[in-house]
Amino acid sequence: DAGVIQSPRHEVTEMGQEVTLRCKPISGHNSLFWYRQTMMRGLELLIYFNNNVPIDDSGMPEDRFSAKMPNASFSTLKIQPSEPRDSAVYFCASSPRTAHNSPLHFGNGTRLTVT
Amino acid sequence: DQQVKQNSPSLSVQEGRISILNCDYTNSMFDYFLWYKKYPAEGPTFLISISSIKDKNEDGRFTVFLNKSAKHLSLHIVPSQPGDSAVYFCAAPLRVTGNQFYFGTGTSLTVIP
Repeated sequence: DAGVIQSPRHEVTEMGQEVTLRCKPISGHNSLFWYRQTMMRGLELLIYFNNNVPIDDSGMPEDRFSAKMPNASFSTLKIQPSEPRDSAVYFCASSPRTAHNSPLHFGNGTRLTVT
Repeated sequence: DQQVKQNSPSLSVQEGRISILNCDYTNSMFDYFLWYKKYPAEGPTFLISISSIKDKNEDGRFTVFLNKSAKHLSLHIVPSQPGDSAVYFCAAPLRVTGNQFYFGTGTSLTVIP
């Protein structure tokens, strides 16, 4: 089991540039989540998908953020244009079922720095 | 609005002693709670959970206690080991919204050899 795979591990970009974060969930998992970790707010849920369908994107901070899941094995989180306050660690997680008590399996995150 | 709160950002404990990490929640609809452990440069990993029908769940050196009336849970690690040094997150999923997990801000535990 390779676990949840995120790329890149680190991203440094200038304000105004487009940033795309990538995630490959664990095979067979049908729920996928994007989280953002900051010192002030801890882990915040941005959006989650069940069976490739976005269920709740109320955590997406602004229209500059968008997420897609074109198939069961791939998801992207895009920020366009990026701003310095978007600097954070972004985690992707997957879960094997939709039961609310099914633990999440996290990737190792993408550390985004926007200068 | 933080529905799950960890008010202690850090904790230091001597090796062999007990570590107690605390978590408070505000939403009475939470009926399941989880603790995650996170090492630097890694994602959080699931550690232990508890259902609201229980007040205690034990797994080796780790025990989680739940006090529903106080809306409080705690994670006890006995005995603490240097390898336990990590950030610990308390989390609770909300059944009515499916898989939406609410996380605390984390407590950084340092176990001193």
